[in-house]
Amino acid sequence: ELKVEQNPLFLSMQEGKNYTIYCNYSTTSDRLYWYRQDPGKSLESLFVLLSNGAVKQEGRLMASLDTKARLSTLHITAAVHDLSATYFCAGYRDNYGQNFVFGPGTRLSVLP
Amino acid sequence: DSGVTQTPKHLITATGQRVTLRCSPRSGDLSVYWYQQSLDQGLQFLIQYYNGEERAKGNILERFSAQQFPDLHSELNLSSLELGDSALYFCASSEGTSGGYVQYFGPGTRLTVT
Repeated sequence: ELKVEQNPLFLSMQEGKNYTIYCNYSTTSDRLYWYRQDPGKSLESLFVLLSNGAVKQEGRLMASLDTKARLSTLHITAAVHDLSATYFCAGYRDNYGQNFVFGPGTRLSVLP
Repeated sequence: DSGVTQTPKHLITATGQRVTLRCSPRSGDLSVYWYQQSLDQGLQFLIQYYNGEERAKGNILERFSAQQFPDLHSELNLSSLELGDSALYFCASSEGTSGGYVQYFGPGTRLTVT
């Protein structure tokens, strides 16, 4: 059974600082997704990582995937207040009962 | 605006009732996904349809069912509702069904069961 964990669950950081959110998964995942959710809003897709070593970047966010370690990271560079949101990762296994499995989310607050 | 629409935005109903949630995907997207978000269970994937056919299934209860119609809109039917079914229900759409297709999410339907 695919299980997905994230840490930290809560993250408070100052503007301008760097930090990393970790996403661990328990068994093989065919791909790895990252999403953002603002309070009271819907979800926004950030990244889809398809293979070992995949790295994707958008603005101050960079996601990577290490399938051997069953680990994905979301790195935040020089955080700004607009990045305050909850970030979810999700694993996916094709042809498997629970295809998408989400982590619990990391609530990020960027303070001035 | 993602281009995905969901109706209704809010729904309040009683236990034991049945409701239908509707989702219209972005123009050109063939896949529709349904998700449930609650404080107790977090985000859960329910089901995916691709071009009218069921493509993937998550922890969808037997009391729940979905379908995708020829015009590609989708409906999620929830029956014999229980208090624990109160949640936000999101649908998302994507162009394809495999590989790195981005999912675009609708605004959600907030279901309250009393």
